[in-house]
Amino acid sequence: ILNVEQSPQSLHVQEGDSTNFTCSFPSSNFYALHWYRWETAKSPEALFVMTLNGDEKKKGRISATLNTKEGYSYLYIKGSQPEDSATYLCAFYGGSQGNLIFGKGTKLSVKP
Amino acid sequence: DADVTQTPRNRITKTGKRIMLECSQTKGHDRMYWYRQDPGLGLRLIYYSFDVKDINKGEISDGYSVSRQAQAKFSLSLESAIPNQTALYFCATSDPGTGLFFGPGTRLTVL
Repeated sequence: ILNVEQSPQSLHVQEGDSTNFTCSFPSSNFYALHWYRWETAKSPEALFVMTLNGDEKKKGRISATLNTKEGYSYLYIKGSQPEDSATYLCAFYGGSQGNLIFGKGTKLSVKP
Repeated sequence: DADVTQTPRNRITKTGKRIMLECSQTKGHDRMYWYRQDPGLGLRLIYYSFDVKDINKGEISDGYSVSRQAQAKFSLSLESAIPNQTALYFCATSDPGTGLFFGPGTRLTVL
């Protein structure tokens, strides 16, 4: 069974703080790594799809990096705002298993 | 209009009843998925379909069946619902290389 681990499980920060969290995944048979943002009472929304070792993606204040050789990805949020409060999910796609395996997420709370 | 719709949005049913959850999409994607979310367990894949003639079991397919009636429609059935199938169910679609586009979810309670 493939395992996708996210840490920390939850995170509380103050408005303006920068933060980051980690996604660990199998380093073999890598095809893609996805990041999703999931706000309470809504559906998950895709942030990034990353496919190449060394990939860096950015959307506004949120960015992500990818290391496929060692099997980890970091998500960074610069200058957190209360509207960034959400659960951030990563998902690993190893082409051989044909579907995405999700981590349990990191729940971020940003206090004004 | 939403790209991925799910009906019903909420359903309460009794043990042993047959339930069907429906999903429709207007994104034109070939790939469709059914996930369930349980607190503390994250999203787990039930079934997925890469085109109308392709149906595949996911991680937790026992107790469920699916039907891909058309490119735009993918329904999930619980033949005989049991309480541990109480969960939030998401339908999603994708194209190769894209992220998943999720529907709004169906909250199912089995008493």
